[in-house]
Amino acid sequence: GQQLNQSPQSMFIQEGEDVSMNCTSSSIFNTWLWYKQDPGEGPVLLIALYKAGELTSNGRLTAQFGITRKDSFLNISASIPSDVGIYFCAGRRNEKLTFGTGTRLTIIP
Amino acid sequence: SQTIHQWPATLVQPVGSPLSLECTVEGTSNPNLYWYRQAAGRGLQLLFYSVGIGQISSEVPQNLSASRPQDRQFILSSKKLLLSDSGFYLCAWSIGLQYGYTFGSGTRLTVV
Repeated sequence: GQQLNQSPQSMFIQEGEDVSMNCTSSSIFNTWLWYKQDPGEGPVLLIALYKAGELTSNGRLTAQFGITRKDSFLNISASIPSDVGIYFCAGRRNEKLTFGTGTRLTIIP
Repeated sequence: SQTIHQWPATLVQPVGSPLSLECTVEGTSNPNLYWYRQAAGRGLQLLFYSVGIGQISSEVPQNLSASRPQDRQFILSSKKLLLSDSGFYLCAWSIGLQYGYTFGSGTRLTVV
């Protein structure tokens, strides 16, 4: 099945640094979502975006729904150890959600 | 509040054996239900989704099947498991077309 192109595939950063990741698609989506998955757990919804151009924040997280409706980015400011995990973007069209390939975030002590 | 239950958490099954994974949702009515599979270190692949009792849409032809015998119950099955069926299986639910999914805690299946 289709998957969204998500980059980077992995990131190694130091605590306190800002993080930026993005997701692109050849198709238009009505909703963009960002999830975080901890090892052995199901993904947890972080931010949902419903309108093209929308910029939404949730604490240290900021995400935007691209104007073309084919892309989205997620920024994490001042990273902390609990930010470690895999981040997935997801685009929704009707009943179905298509996921990105994931960005694995590792924080170097 | 709504909750989603998925079990078992881990499962080791021999090749050729049957499979039944169950997912139930509480606190909501007529949810959309989904089964995803995640291979190690990779993204999520949609296997099946259901918008109502007895309504199943298959996304990927494979050795698995799904059923929805009750409004808030979704079952993933196989008659004969293959080694390639190993993975992390996730159930999810949503309401309407606007919102995101809520995932269960997953079942890690190892076929040996």
